[in-house]
Amino acid sequence: EAQVTQNPRYLITVTGKKLTVTCSQNMNHEYMSWYRQDPGLGLRQIYYSMNVEVTDKGDVPEGYKVSRKEKRNFPLILESPSPNQTSLYFCASSSTGLRQTQYFGPGTRLLVL
Amino acid sequence: GENVEQHPSTLSVQEGDSAVIKCTYSDSASNYFPWYKQELGKRPQLIIDIRSNVGEKKDQRIAVTLNKTAKHFSLHITETQPEDSAVYFCAASYGGATNKLIFGTGTLLAVQP
Repeated sequence: EAQVTQNPRYLITVTGKKLTVTCSQNMNHEYMSWYRQDPGLGLRQIYYSMNVEVTDKGDVPEGYKVSRKEKRNFPLILESPSPNQTSLYFCASSSTGLRQTQYFGPGTRLLVL
Repeated sequence: GENVEQHPSTLSVQEGDSAVIKCTYSDSASNYFPWYKQELGKRPQLIIDIRSNVGEKKDQRIAVTLNKTAKHFSLHITETQPEDSAVYFCAASYGGATNKLIFGTGTLLAVQP
C-alpha cells in the first residue's frame, strides 16, 4: 500500500531534550516536505527536499533541522525543543515537486513542556 | 513576507446549497494553487489544484477559479453534502522557481442536513 508514515504519532518531551520525528514514504517520491499546523495559523512549511542530499528552508525553519540521506526517509530534528514548537507536524511527499499531488502522513502531535 | 489570506474562517450552509471560499495571495510569481480538505483528526488531502495558465478548473461538484490580475482564487462547491463538512485550506506556491508553499489559515465548512 502506497503511504507516508511518521513516528512517533504522539510525543511529550521537555525543553532542551533533542528529538527526531521520522518520515518515510514507499512511493519512490523525489519531493518531501515538513509542515507544522497550529490553530488559527493553518499549515506552515518548515523544510522541503527535492531529492537526496537536496534540502531547503520553507517558511518557518528556525529551530529545526532535516536530512535526506535516502530517498524514502526525511527525518525532522529538533536539537533543543522549546514550548513554542508544541504543534501538530505533518510530513508529505510528491513525485517530482509540490506541483504534483502531495500525500500527507498521519501527523505527529508534539508537546514540549 | 509572502502571505495568503483566506475568507471566511467559518461557513455554514444548508445541504444542497453552494459554498464559496476565497483566497488572496501576495506573490505575483505564484503559479500553483492547490486546495486541501482536512476532516476532523485526519490528514490534509488534495481535492483540486490550478496552475497560473488556467482560469478555471472543475471536478464534479468542485471548481476553482483564478484571477491572476487581482491575485485571488476561489473554491466553489455545489450541491453540498454533509460529508463536505471539513476544514478547507488554500495554498499558493511562492518564490518563483522554488518549491515552497504557503497556506491560508483555513475555512471550517459546516453543511447542515
